[in-house]
Amino acid sequence: DQQVKQNSPSLSVQEGRISILNCDYTNSMFDYFLWYKKYPAEGPTFLISISSIKDKNEDGRFTVFLNKSAKHLSLHIVPSQPGDSAVYFCASYGNKLVFGAGTILRVKS
Amino acid sequence: DVKVTQSSRYLVKRTGEKVFLECVQDMDHENMFWYRQDPGLGLRLIYFSYDVKMKEKGDIPEGYSVSREKKERFSLILESASTNQTSMYLCASSPGTTHYNEQFFGPGTRLTVL
Repeated sequence: DQQVKQNSPSLSVQEGRISILNCDYTNSMFDYFLWYKKYPAEGPTFLISISSIKDKNEDGRFTVFLNKSAKHLSLHIVPSQPGDSAVYFCASYGNKLVFGAGTILRVKS
Repeated sequence: DVKVTQSSRYLVKRTGEKVFLECVQDMDHENMFWYRQDPGLGLRLIYFSYDVKMKEKGDIPEGYSVSREKKERFSLILESASTNQTSMYLCASSPGTTHYNEQFFGPGTRLTVL
């Protein structure tokens, strides 16, 4: 049973527009959340994180929103760039890091 | 620049072979992890280690073992490779004793078992 779900396997967005990647979790003990980005033939790299005591965290073009009551988080990328094309993994900490299945983002120029 | 290296990018082995996947980090991190990545399943934790000679089972340890004789090196061992172990294997490390630290990943080893 997957505790972290990314229900959209892929997303296609035009350059300059907003990309919104979604993630749902089931375990209410999760209290820290991260997004990783993965390019082909490379390992995942950390992108942005949020603690459960916050509902928003920003880092440049990237913003993560957390809705604890809905057990939902989202990653917003504004504006999207072709170099953002990658697989994005949502991950959550309880007593260890649990990853979602990933969403492939394609940004078209 | 932080670095996690894995011994092979691609590996092809036969069913029943003993397979060693090596991981080395140069960041003096206490924690090291082995994951496998499969389509539709994301990254799943196989084993992790918080210290030298220490290991803990992750979510899918069956068919695998690990060795951590030195702080910088964490090896994943497939005792008798099977076709369902064909996958991308990712090693990661993180500093400190808390769980919340960012994990740094190696480039991965794509293992094919025939």
